[in-house]
Parts: sequence; C-alpha cells; structure tokens
Amino acid sequence: EPEVTQTPSHQVTQMGQEVILRCVPISNHLYFYWYRQILGQKVEFLVSFYNNEISEKSEIFDDQFSVERPDGSNFTLKIRSTKLEDSAMYFCASSERTGGTEQFFGPGTRLTVL
Amino acid sequence: LAKTTQPISMDSYEGQEVNITCSHNNIATNDYITWYQQFPSQGPRFIIQGYKTKVTNEVASLFIPADRKSSTLSLPRVSLSDTAVYYCLAPGGATNKLIFGTGTLLAVQP
Repeated sequence: EPEVTQTPSHQVTQMGQEVILRCVPISNHLYFYWYRQILGQKVEFLVSFYNNEISEKSEIFDDQFSVERPDGSNFTLKIRSTKLEDSAMYFCASSERTGGTEQFFGPGTRLTVL
Repeated sequence: LAKTTQPISMDSYEGQEVNITCSHNNIATNDYITWYQQFPSQGPRFIIQGYKTKVTNEVASLFIPADRKSSTLSLPRVSLSDTAVYYCLAPGGATNKLIFGTGTLLAVQP
C-alpha cells in the first residue's frame, strides 16, 4: 500500500538555525499539506500546496516558514530561523483531490529546538 | 468549517462495541463528516467518511441522522490496539485544511 514518508524521523537543532523537513507524498496525489502537533496539543494545519503554489496557509505559517516541491517527488518544509516554540511533531500529508477527501499522513518528524 | 464537539475521553473493555458521538450543529451543505484515528507519536489515519445515513467499512460504521447535526462512530468489538485518539472533523467546500479538535481518547482495557 502506498504511503507518505518523511525524513528525518527526529531532528535536533539549535535556536536560530535553519531546518528542512522532507516528505515524499504518495505518487499520484496532487495536494500536499503540512501540519504540526506540539506535545500534548492538537494537530494544527500549517499550509496546503497545489500546482506548485500555496493554496492556503494558517496564521502559524509566517515568513519564517516556506514550502517547496523541488522535484517530482519531494515536498519540503523549511523553517528559516528556528525558535524554541517550533519544537513539535511535523506531519506531511497528501491527497488525490480537494474538498474534504481523505488525507494520508506521514509518520512525522519530531523537531526539537534547543 | 463546522465546529465539532465530542467527549474528551471514553473507557471500554476488549470485545465491546464502542460508540463515539460527535455534534456539529453548524455543518454546511458541502461538509462531509470524517473520522481520523491517531496513535501516540504517529500521524492521524483516516477511518471513515460519510455525508448522510450509514456508512460501513472494514474498520467502523458511521451513523448520520437526517439533520446531519451529529454523527456516531461505531467500533465493533474493540481490542487493546484500538486505544487511540479519535477525531471527528467536518471538512468540505473549497478548503482542503483539516481542523482537528482535541478528539476523544479511547482507552480499551483487558
């Protein structure tokens, strides 16, 4: 069964450093997403991406964040200058269609900012 | 996006049927009722989705009354491995984003 993969599984970084979280969505999916979950809290939407551009973003997704699909398979989330409060699980997801269709989530990357 | 309300937690025993009810009073015509499951330190996993009446798959059943203001996820004969957080969402329309609430923590005991 096809699945979304994410690397690394765990990333530790110093405050102020840049991090890139990587995702490989399911190959025939067209819509891509990033969510995050701070320990003990809700899963929060960050951004959705379609046709090589951001289609929707939340207030969390400020100028420190960016997304990119550098090639036909990878989808990345970059945090330019990490803050302590960026520590969280980051989940990538993908879907075939829009409008509430099933989203397939990856296993997540645990980001720890020291 | 419709706001959903569900119990914070539920307890059950192995082999029992579990019903988790969710209310979504302001659900819109274009919204679908969708349930996800999340195990600790894992991404959410889609369980089932419906618009009205009853939907059944190999994992669960979803009951939606005619007014669509509530829904019930039914898990038949739960096992210990069904211990997880269950989220009720009502995505739809032009947006793709999923808005997760706090979900229902189901604890299945032997």
